[in-house]
Amino acid sequence: AQKITQTQPGMFVQEKEAVTLDCTYDTSDQSYGLFWYKQPSSGEMIFLIYQGSYDEQNATEGRYSLNFQKARKSANLVISASQLGDSAMYFCAASGSARQLTFGSGTQLTVLP
Amino acid sequence: KAGVTQTPRYLIKTRGQQVTLSCSPISGHRSVSWYQQTPGQGLQFLFEYFSETQRNKGNFPGRFSGRQFSNSRSEMNVSTLELGDSALYLCASSRSERKVTGELFFGEGSRLTVL
Repeated sequence: AQKITQTQPGMFVQEKEAVTLDCTYDTSDQSYGLFWYKQPSSGEMIFLIYQGSYDEQNATEGRYSLNFQKARKSANLVISASQLGDSAMYFCAASGSARQLTFGSGTQLTVLP
Repeated sequence: KAGVTQTPRYLIKTRGQQVTLSCSPISGHRSVSWYQQTPGQGLQFLFEYFSETQRNKGNFPGRFSGRQFSNSRSEMNVSTLELGDSALYLCASSRSERKVTGELFFGEGSRLTVL
C-alpha cells in the first residue's frame, strides 16, 4: 500500500520566482515511481515529471525538477521562473508493484503578476 | 500525435440510470486505466486493462465495470447510478507492459453529474 502526503493545500508565488511544492510518500515497495501532474481548471491531468526509485539523479523537465530525497521519502517539485499559466492544481502520485497510481490531495498554486 | 480521447466530456444522468464512458488511448499504448476524481475522495483508481484483460481493480462496488477492445479502446460502465457517482472520470494510457512508468498520459476526463 502507498500513501502520498501533500501538506500545502494552497501556495502563492510571484511571477518569475521559483516555488517548491512538497510531497512525502510512504510505500512498502522496493521499486516504485514518483510522478507530478498539473491539473488546470479544464480537468485534464498533464504529466510533468517522473522519478524512478532507483534513479540516482533528480529528474528534470524544462522548468520542472523533482527534488528526490529517498531517505526522507520526499519528492518535492520545483518550478523555476513561474509563469501565470502555471496556476493550477498540482498532484504528486506514486506507483509500485500494483499497476496503479496513488495520488496526494493536491496543492493549488496561484501565480501572482 | 493524438492524445488520450475521452467521450463524452460532459453528461447528466438521473439516479438509477446507467452510463457508459469511452476512452481511446494514445496510438501504440496498450494499457488503459481509469480513475475517479471527487472533491471529497480525491483521485481514486478504478481499474486497469492491458490487451483486453483487467489486471487490477480498485475498491469500488460491482456497479462499476469496464472492458477493453482489441484496438485498445476502453469503456467503463456504471449501473444504477447514485448521487455519489457524480465525479470527473479520467482515463490514462501507457505503453508500458509492466510496472507503471513515466509514460502515463491522461485524457481531459468525462464529467458526470447525477441528479
